[in-house]
Amino acid sequence: SQTIHQWPATLVQPVGSPLSLECTVEGTSNPNLYWYRQAAGRGLQLLFYSVGIGQISSEVPQNLSASRPQDRQFILSSKKLLLSDSGFYLCAWRRTAGPLHFGNGTRLTVT
Amino acid sequence: AQSVTQLDSHVSVSEGTPVLLRCNYSSSYSPSLFWYVQHPNKGLQLLLKYTSAATLVKGINGFEAEFKKSETSFHLTKPSAHMSDAAEYFCVVTPGNAGNMLTFGGGTRLMVKP
Repeated sequence: SQTIHQWPATLVQPVGSPLSLECTVEGTSNPNLYWYRQAAGRGLQLLFYSVGIGQISSEVPQNLSASRPQDRQFILSSKKLLLSDSGFYLCAWRRTAGPLHFGNGTRLTVT
Repeated sequence: AQSVTQLDSHVSVSEGTPVLLRCNYSSSYSPSLFWYVQHPNKGLQLLLKYTSAATLVKGINGFEAEFKKSETSFHLTKPSAHMSDAAEYFCVVTPGNAGNMLTFGGGTRLMVKP
């Protein structure tokens, strides 16, 4: 069966510090991978998605970036965090036309 | 183009009474539709999916949804609410032509009173 791992679960970082969130998927190959952000009490905002190694599509201009160095690894990064980057970050994978399968999320607080 | 509207941002029911969470969609293609549940500080869990097979879809935890093309609706129901059902619920649509984009509804917070 397929599993998705996302870490860390919680993170507190000062403004201006770098960020690296990692997500890995097991039990499937060539998945579509997604990063979403959820602000408090709000819906999900798609940040990035990837259909293959090195292929990243950005949905929202911001100071975040994503990379896919391996087939089942998806990394969300920032060189300098802003207060507005606080939120709940969710990684997800899917087969084309299938449902999304989410990780447990990372609660990021920028102070 | 596609869109999803969850008609109620909050729904409150008593334990043991039926649950109805409403979702309307629009899609240029025959859509696939999903319902997810999210408990606080957790990821989203798939409840059920419609992918052009049976229009009445049964999911986990006693939930089901009916795809009604004429009404462009995909409402989520459960005969009897349990306290553990209190959570946020999201309706999601994706084009059935294997498109990559999914559109989320704004979410419905379900509260269950004892």
